[in-house]
Amino acid sequence: QQQVKQSPQSLIVQKGGISIINCAYENTAFDYFPWYQQFPGKGPALLIAIRPDVSEKKEGRFTISFNKSAKQFSLHIMDSQPGDSATYFCAARGSGGSNYKLTFGKGTLLTVNP
Amino acid sequence: EPEVTQTPSHQVTQMGQEVILRCVPISNHLYFYWYRQILGQKVEFLVSFYNNEISEKSEIFDDQFSVERPDGSNFTLKIRSTKLEDSAMYFCASSMGAVYSSTDTQYFGPGTRLTVL
Repeated sequence: QQQVKQSPQSLIVQKGGISIINCAYENTAFDYFPWYQQFPGKGPALLIAIRPDVSEKKEGRFTISFNKSAKQFSLHIMDSQPGDSATYFCAARGSGGSNYKLTFGKGTLLTVNP
Repeated sequence: EPEVTQTPSHQVTQMGQEVILRCVPISNHLYFYWYRQILGQKVEFLVSFYNNEISEKSEIFDDQFSVERPDGSNFTLKIRSTKLEDSAMYFCASSMGAVYSSTDTQYFGPGTRLTVL
């Protein structure tokens, strides 16, 4: 019940295209859903995050869509650029007490071809 | 911009040896975490630390692991007797805590790559 399932495992997109990565969760106690971007040899860096009281959040070319009833959320990268090539992790955080650990999906390796 | 720092960037050790991984969290943060990432796999939670005590630990964090905040700035992860399967990238993270921020962003350090031979 603590799992976050992420797909696809890898994604190849042409420059200017739309990249879409999907995640699903089971634990309804999750209350915060961040996306992290990781470049090789670096730590994960927060890209964008959403709480379940909204259905969409947009920051520049990055949009999270959230479907609470389906327990799914997705990351859309518009006008994908070669510099977006990285591994993307969705994550979820529980609520309550001092438990703020993040549960990560398995990651999606995005390659944007020039 | 404040950042989480970690030392060393790469640690090579022999099986059975003790290692200490060091982290300096962001100065006004209250919650501290260790995660690990085995090569090519997802990031896994190890332990969270708040108010000078462990608030949660995963099943990975067994008796061979310990954490400490020895002073006001450092946060360390000790592995007493390393095993081959401890080889991974270890990330430290810190956050203010959701009590202070509804989004409670966790900021990750660059990681320490631990190689156990």
